[in-house]
Amino acid sequence: KAGVTQTPRYLIKTRGQQVTLSCSPISGHRSVSWYQQTPGQGLQFLFEYFSETQRNKGNFPGRFSGRQFSNSRSEMNVSTLELGDSALYLCASSLEPGLYIYEQYFGPGTRLTVT
Amino acid sequence: AQTVTQSQPEMSVQEAETVTLSCTYDTSESDYYLFWYKQPPSRQMILVIRQEAYKQQNATENRFSVNFQKAAKSFSLKISDSQLGDAAMYFCAYRGTYNNNDMRFGAGTRLTVKP
Repeated sequence: KAGVTQTPRYLIKTRGQQVTLSCSPISGHRSVSWYQQTPGQGLQFLFEYFSETQRNKGNFPGRFSGRQFSNSRSEMNVSTLELGDSALYLCASSLEPGLYIYEQYFGPGTRLTVT
Repeated sequence: AQTVTQSQPEMSVQEAETVTLSCTYDTSESDYYLFWYKQPPSRQMILVIRQEAYKQQNATENRFSVNFQKAAKSFSLKISDSQLGDAAMYFCAYRGTYNNNDMRFGAGTRLTVKP
C-alpha cells in the first residue's frame, strides 16, 4: 500500500505570495492532519480534516487554510506569505478519528522557503 | 491544555547498548493515546510504538519498549541493542480521545548512535 504523498517536496516563494500544498493520504484513510515543523517551535498542529469537514484547528492565523476533497486528498493554502512561514509542512493520515485508533502516518513533507 | 515534555534535547548511545528517552505529559483526561515517533535525517516521520492509557501492560515492538507510568504521567522509550539506523529525532506525542483533540508533540530528543 502506498504511503502518504506530498507535493511539491520543495518550494521557494517570495514574501506576499500565496502557496498551495497537496497531500494524498494512504488508500482507505479518511482523516488528514497538517503540521508545521520549525526548529524554534517544533511540531505544531495546523488542522485536521475528516470527510471533507474541518474537525479541529490549531492556533494559526487565518492566512492558513485547508480543505479536503471527496477522495480524501487534502490541500493547505497559505496566503500573504511571511518569512516566518518558512518551515517543513507535514501531512499525516489516519483511518478515521475514533475511540480505538489514532495512529497517524506521515508524509515526507514539503519544505517551504519564503524569501 | 495537554502538554508534552521531553527533557533531553540530545542523547547518545553506543552501538549495541541500551538507551532510554524520557517523556512526561500533562492531562486531566483518563483515556488517551501516547506515541513515539522517529524522524530520521530523511525527514519521514515513522511511528515507533503506541500505548493506550487504559492498558496497564507496557507496549513492546521488537527492540523498542515503553515504560508507561500513568499516575506519574510518564512515558519513556527504551531502545535495546541500539543500531546505527536508530539515529534520529524521537518525538513523544499525546492525543486524547475526546473530539477535537489534536496531536500534541514534545520538542524531540536527538539520538546519536556511536559505532
